[in-house]
Amino acid sequence: EAQVTQNPRYLITVTGKKLTVTCSQNMNHEYMSWYRQDPGLGLRQIYYSMNVEVTDKGDVPEGYKVSRKEKRNFPLILESPSPNQTSLYFCASSPAPNTATNEKLFFGSGTQLSVL
Amino acid sequence: AQSVTQLGSHVSVSEGALVLLRCNYSSSVPPYLFWYVQYPNQGLQLLLKYTSAATLVKGINGFEAEFKKSETSFHLTKPSAHMSDAAEYFCAVSDPGGNEKLTFGTGTRLTIIP
Repeated sequence: EAQVTQNPRYLITVTGKKLTVTCSQNMNHEYMSWYRQDPGLGLRQIYYSMNVEVTDKGDVPEGYKVSRKEKRNFPLILESPSPNQTSLYFCASSPAPNTATNEKLFFGSGTQLSVL
Repeated sequence: AQSVTQLGSHVSVSEGALVLLRCNYSSSVPPYLFWYVQYPNQGLQLLLKYTSAATLVKGINGFEAEFKKSETSFHLTKPSAHMSDAAEYFCAVSDPGGNEKLTFGTGTRLTIIP
């Protein structure tokens, strides 16, 4: 089954404790992206990647890191989480890194992160 | 910079009534426009998209949207609401030839009244 898999589904941590949220897609998509969803703010892009070893900042990259060593994986790293990073996070992927041919974004089921 | 504005963070309609969710966009170039739906505890799913072909776009589950350049709008409609339509709906805009980034609106939560 074609899907974007995020883990964990729920995560509670404390300020300053490094964490990684994993994202994997099995559709051979070139484009991957991370969003955070906050009430009243919709979804905001954190980082995106148009291909292996190519990553770039979105609208709210501060406090986050990503890597794209393999096509299928795009982990989100919080080196020193803070309470303002408490949010619902979504990973998404798309077949091609060109909007003109982009069919749609495929989303994972989300990771609810709470930073105490 | 592109943006979308969704009017009404919460909309309630009776089962069988018309659904109208509003979205206005701002873009310096002809945009691509999307509607996504998010059911409880799930990720977003694409409902429909406009990519400069027909201005009336039909999507899944009986939804459709019309691109109106003169009004800079892309409102989502469904003639008859069903209980299963209860969800949060997001309008999004993308710049053709840009970095693939979708800029999302703040969302509209649709409640269906039995």
